[in-house]
Amino acid sequence: GNSVTQMEGPVTLSEEAFLTINCTYTATGYPSLFWYVQYPGEGLQLLLKATKADDKGSNKGFEATYRKETTSFHLEKGSVQVSDSAVYFCALNPNQAGTALIFGKGTTLSVSS
Amino acid sequence: DGGITQSPKYLFRKEGQNVTLSCEQNLNHDAMYWYRQDPGQGLRLIYYSQIVNDFQKGDIAEGYSVSREKKESFPLTVTSAQKNPTAFYLCASSILQGNTEAFFGQGTRLTVV
Repeated sequence: GNSVTQMEGPVTLSEEAFLTINCTYTATGYPSLFWYVQYPGEGLQLLLKATKADDKGSNKGFEATYRKETTSFHLEKGSVQVSDSAVYFCALNPNQAGTALIFGKGTTLSVSS
Repeated sequence: DGGITQSPKYLFRKEGQNVTLSCEQNLNHDAMYWYRQDPGQGLRLIYYSQIVNDFQKGDIAEGYSVSREKKESFPLTVTSAQKNPTAFYLCASSILQGNTEAFFGQGTRLTVV
């Protein structure tokens, strides 16, 4: 079946530290992969996406590369800011008829100044 | 502006009452989804619909019902059969084909007292 596993949180960092949030997936076929961000009390916003192997998604200093050989899509940022504090979700679109996006459990990031 | 509107943002109901959450989109998307979010559990799929007058159960459909009479609207009813209805509910939509992401509303926080 299809599933997403992401690292447990919370992740606590100081401002300007390097961020990695691990995400691995299992899927049949050729899925698309996404990172979403959720700020307190709000819905999810798309952060970045990759639709095929070796694609790199990037946005607002965040990056993730679709690695088919390791079935991974790890989120990275070189220098985090306090404003990056949020919950981050890794998600998979199986690209199969009759299916919906599948989400990981979310990782809470807290950045202090 | 195009988007997804969920209403109300906060909802309080007495135990044993049915309650309906509204979700409207003007993105001309065929597919719509309802997710439930609980702390530490990520997003779990309740129902989804890919076409008017048709919908499918997700992973946790028991105690919920939906309708899709119009392309723009996908209301969710939380019935008295749902044993633990207090949660944050998120509606989303997407186009049907391709490697696409879902777009989310701002969510409704339901509290049953």
